[in-house]
Amino acid sequence: GDSVTQMEGPVTLSEEACLTINCTYTATGYPSLFWYVQYPGEGLQLLLKATKADDKGSNKGFEATYRKETTSFHLEKGSVQVSDSAVYFCALKRSNDYKLSFGAGTTVTVRA
Amino acid sequence: SAVISQKPSRDICQRGTSLTIQCQVDSQVTMMFWYRQQPGQSLTLIATANQGSEATYESGFVIDKFPISRPNLTFSTLTVSNMSPEDSSIYLCSVERQNTEAFFGQGTRLTVV
Repeated sequence: GDSVTQMEGPVTLSEEACLTINCTYTATGYPSLFWYVQYPGEGLQLLLKATKADDKGSNKGFEATYRKETTSFHLEKGSVQVSDSAVYFCALKRSNDYKLSFGAGTTVTVRA
Repeated sequence: SAVISQKPSRDICQRGTSLTIQCQVDSQVTMMFWYRQQPGQSLTLIATANQGSEATYESGFVIDKFPISRPNLTFSTLTVSNMSPEDSSIYLCSVERQNTEAFFGQGTRLTVV
């Protein structure tokens, strides 16, 4: 079945540091890939997405590229802020299905 | 996008009681879902709320424990029945229009004592 493997946290880093959260997936066909973010006390928000190979999703300084050859969708940001402290979830959805499969989530804490 | 209002935002309940969570969307949507997020864990799909028919439950979830209603295309409820401390979780409503990404409510944080 489909699965998403996400880098375990927690991750703690200083403001303006670089952030990378690894995400790899197993799925049949060509799934769409997503990063969701959950700020403290809130629900999930879509951060970015990519629907086909080599697509790059970007938002709020975050980027992730759909790499089919490595079945990966790593999340990156070059300079994090305290406000980026949150839990980040990688997820996939098959093209012929409506269900989202989530990774375990990575807690990121950015210190001033 | 979709604006989702979920109520209550949090509750503390006695074991053995039931809680009904409401999910209201600002426009008609095809698909509505209910997820559970246990403490420190990822999201698990409970069921798909089908308009006008019985919900479709995922493995490990049953209607007697989590009855779901969906009377129209903008509203759904999830009931957590006969609660135990193991039911303490965040419950999230999610919606999706055809060929778009999923949107989530802010969640209901349930604590069972």
